[in-house]
Amino acid sequence: LAKTTQPISMDSYEGQEVNITCSHNNIATNDYITWCQQFPSQGPRFIIQGYKTKVTNEVASLFIPADRKSSTLSLPRVSLSDTAVYYCLVEDSGYSTLTFGKGTMLLVSP
Amino acid sequence: DTAVSQTPKYLVTQMGNDKSIKCEQNLGHDTMYWYKQDSKKFLKIMFSYNNKELIINETVPNRFSPKSPDKAHLNLHINSLELGDSAVYFCASSLDRLNTEAFFGQGTRLTVV
Repeated sequence: LAKTTQPISMDSYEGQEVNITCSHNNIATNDYITWCQQFPSQGPRFIIQGYKTKVTNEVASLFIPADRKSSTLSLPRVSLSDTAVYYCLVEDSGYSTLTFGKGTMLLVSP
Repeated sequence: DTAVSQTPKYLVTQMGNDKSIKCEQNLGHDTMYWYKQDSKKFLKIMFSYNNKELIINETVPNRFSPKSPDKAHLNLHINSLELGDSAVYFCASSLDRLNTEAFFGQGTRLTVV
């Protein structure tokens, strides 16, 4: 079971770029890295997924170094509505499920 | 249209009661899940079904029994509720068991008093 470690909380201001780094030292060869976002009283929402190098979509970018022992979620120009908990997840090899850590609470201020 | 819907959204009940939470997905997905989120916001998988068949059963008390009448539904029945069962329960679905892009329901906040 690949364990993830990420900061408990982060603060930012509107318009700034936010980078949240997650470590997953014992990630397996076939594991993918997934990031989800959860607003209060809502279910988690898939943001981005990657295996290595860089992945970009309309919401975020995901940077994964060659050793894949960490990953960084990058949110460009955050707004107040980006205030949420962000989970770094590693696929359980053989189970194809998402194992959630404790997440990072991102607070965006005006 | 809600992709993954759970009912009820809130459930308050007394210890010892039996309750059910229903989940339906209209995405045509083959795989469905139940997750439990405790007071510390830690999400943990409980069960996973693929085409109505149980494929994952984590360390969950026998009082919890999932039922999947068809692949669009995965209900969670809980017997003899205990105080420690209080949590938010999330249903989710994914295209198949190899796809980890999961779509979650809004959650059911269960409070046992």
